[in-house]
Amino acid sequence: GAGVSQSPSNKVTEKGKDVELRCDPISGHTALYWYRQSLGQGLEFLIYFQGNSAPDKSGLPSDRFSAERTGGSVSTLTIQRTQQEDSAVYLCAAGSGGAYEQYFGPGTRLTVT
Amino acid sequence: AQSVTQLGSHVSVSEGALVLLRCNYSSSVPPYLFWYVQYPNQGLQLLLKYTSAATLVKGINGFEAEFKKSETSFHLTKPSAHMSDAAEYFCAVSRTGTASKLTFGTGTRLQVTL
Repeated sequence: GAGVSQSPSNKVTEKGKDVELRCDPISGHTALYWYRQSLGQGLEFLIYFQGNSAPDKSGLPSDRFSAERTGGSVSTLTIQRTQQEDSAVYLCAAGSGGAYEQYFGPGTRLTVT
Repeated sequence: AQSVTQLGSHVSVSEGALVLLRCNYSSSVPPYLFWYVQYPNQGLQLLLKYTSAATLVKGINGFEAEFKKSETSFHLTKPSAHMSDAAEYFCAVSRTGTASKLTFGTGTRLQVTL
């Protein structure tokens, strides 16, 4: 595709429910990143996939957060037993390895009530 | 560890005036540096990047930034502000080498007044 797409654009969920956020990266970009943007914490790295290598999960805030990337393309970020502090905009970015810059999707705004 | 510090969470300039957004970095290894812009309710758009080539980097929309190792700075400038430049600007750093995660500053909101 021409750019990174994310779905849904907005998600409202009740505390304790599980949510799945989806990212469709740019075709051919081998690197995929998830970030979180919140008022209190700014922009934070969550997880990074590069080709067939083991993902860098060093930014995941708790074991309630997980992500997978199927077939080197689409990625899903799952948050289990959501808490109010999980409310944020979740951004996905794609990169092509050697070029270093990252191209961001529009984000998913998650609100936990 | 790497980090960036953006001085000034809010900057206001008049239309036509110089824009200067400050960014200082800390890195134990040679860094790559980026400026991103975020318009309301949108994702991040890359303005420009420094990846150890020319120290003066030109980006989109008339913006440029200069890498100064001695000052550990990467300030963003534009000679003449336009109303459409009003947005939030983020400085970010990553490690050199293969693609790596970005560490962002806290952002600077630019207001442009008539």
